[in-house]
Amino acid sequence: QQQVKQSPQSLIVQKGGISIINCAYENTAFDYFPWYQQFPGKGPALLIAIRPDVSEKKEGRFTISFNKSAKQFSLHIMDSQPGDSATYFCAASKGDDKIIFGKGTRLHILP
Amino acid sequence: DAGVIQSPRHEVTEMGQEVTLRCKPISGHNSLFWYRQTMMRGLELLIYFNNNVPIDDSGMPEDRFSAKMPNASFSTLKIQPSEPRDSAVYFCASSIRGPSTEQYFGPGTRLTVT
Repeated sequence: QQQVKQSPQSLIVQKGGISIINCAYENTAFDYFPWYQQFPGKGPALLIAIRPDVSEKKEGRFTISFNKSAKQFSLHIMDSQPGDSATYFCAASKGDDKIIFGKGTRLHILP
Repeated sequence: DAGVIQSPRHEVTEMGQEVTLRCKPISGHNSLFWYRQTMMRGLELLIYFNNNVPIDDSGMPEDRFSAKMPNASFSTLKIQPSEPRDSAVYFCASSIRGPSTEQYFGPGTRLTVT
């Protein structure tokens, strides 16, 4: 019940295309859903986060879509650029309980 | 601010040796986290502290691992004795308060146990 399942494991997208990464969770008590971006040799960094009182959050080219009834949330990267090539992690947590990360998606944007 | 500082950045040691990883969180942050990252297991939370007190250590693999936070500006993760399966990148992160606020990760320590 504590798992966060992320898919796909890897993704290749043409420059200018839309990258979509999906996550599913089971614990309905989760109330914080962040996405982290990690470049090779670096630590993860927060990209965007959402709480379940909204169904969508957009920051620039990055959008989180949240479906509470389906217990799913996804990251959409519009107009994908080679600089977006990185590993993306979804995560979920509740209050002071530890955060649970998905296994990650390696995204490669073709120039 | 310099961000989260970790040392050393790389550590190579022989099986059976003691390894100590160090972390300085961002000033003013009340929560500190230790993670381990491997290809097989992804990013795993080992332990986290709130106001220097360990809150959840359920991710610590076994008694060979221990973590301390003697004050708000310093934490250590110790492995004694080390084993080859401990080889991984270890990250320290800090946040203003708890897991459900933005976590700022350090650059990591790449540990290789031969």
